[in-house]
Amino acid sequence: SQQGEEDPQALSIQEGENATMNCSYKTSINNLQWYRQNSGRGLVHLILIRSNEREKHSGRLRVTLDTSKKSSSLLITASRAADTASYFCATAASGGSYIPTFGRGTSLIVHP
Amino acid sequence: ETGVTQTPRHLVMGMTNKKSLKCEQHLGHNAMYWYKQSAKKPLELMFVYNFKEQTENNSVPSRFSPECPNSSHLFLHLHTLQPEDSALYLCASSRPGLAGSDEQYFGPGTRLTVT
Repeated sequence: SQQGEEDPQALSIQEGENATMNCSYKTSINNLQWYRQNSGRGLVHLILIRSNEREKHSGRLRVTLDTSKKSSSLLITASRAADTASYFCATAASGGSYIPTFGRGTSLIVHP
Repeated sequence: ETGVTQTPRHLVMGMTNKKSLKCEQHLGHNAMYWYKQSAKKPLELMFVYNFKEQTENNSVPSRFSPECPNSSHLFLHLHTLQPEDSALYLCASSRPGLAGSDEQYFGPGTRLTVT
């Protein structure tokens, strides 16, 4: 299965701290995306990183991709209580249908 | 607001009922998706439509029937559901071209409870 697996499953930190979540996958990918989901709501796209890219930034978010290790990380710097949500990685397999496959997600709680 | 709307937001139905979920997007996207999200499980892709043609049916039981009359609207018709079908049903769309090759825009979901 191409499904990405996020790690850890749950993360609890204090406001102001950095949060790091990891995603591992099994086969070659075309791109990897990170999404955020607030409780009971739809997913919101955060960042897409293509297989020929190694790092991308968006505001307080930093995503890295290591295709040799088949892994990605999402770093949220200076976290806020409003960052409390579930975070999912989604991988689109290269040579496949390009439809992203989602993992189970990391549940992040940021305490004020 | 992502530009993708879903109605109703909450639905309670009995196992013998027939109901429909509706999804609408005004983003000019040509690919639309139905996902099922159950507790403690990964997001499950159900159906994909690209330029109004169904391109994926992920072994979904026939009690779920999708319909895509045009690129802006997607329906999921439900009948004789089971309690294990209770879940959050999410609709998504993505831009023209290869379905899924770029970011997806999700609706807020329909929380379905089957009694």
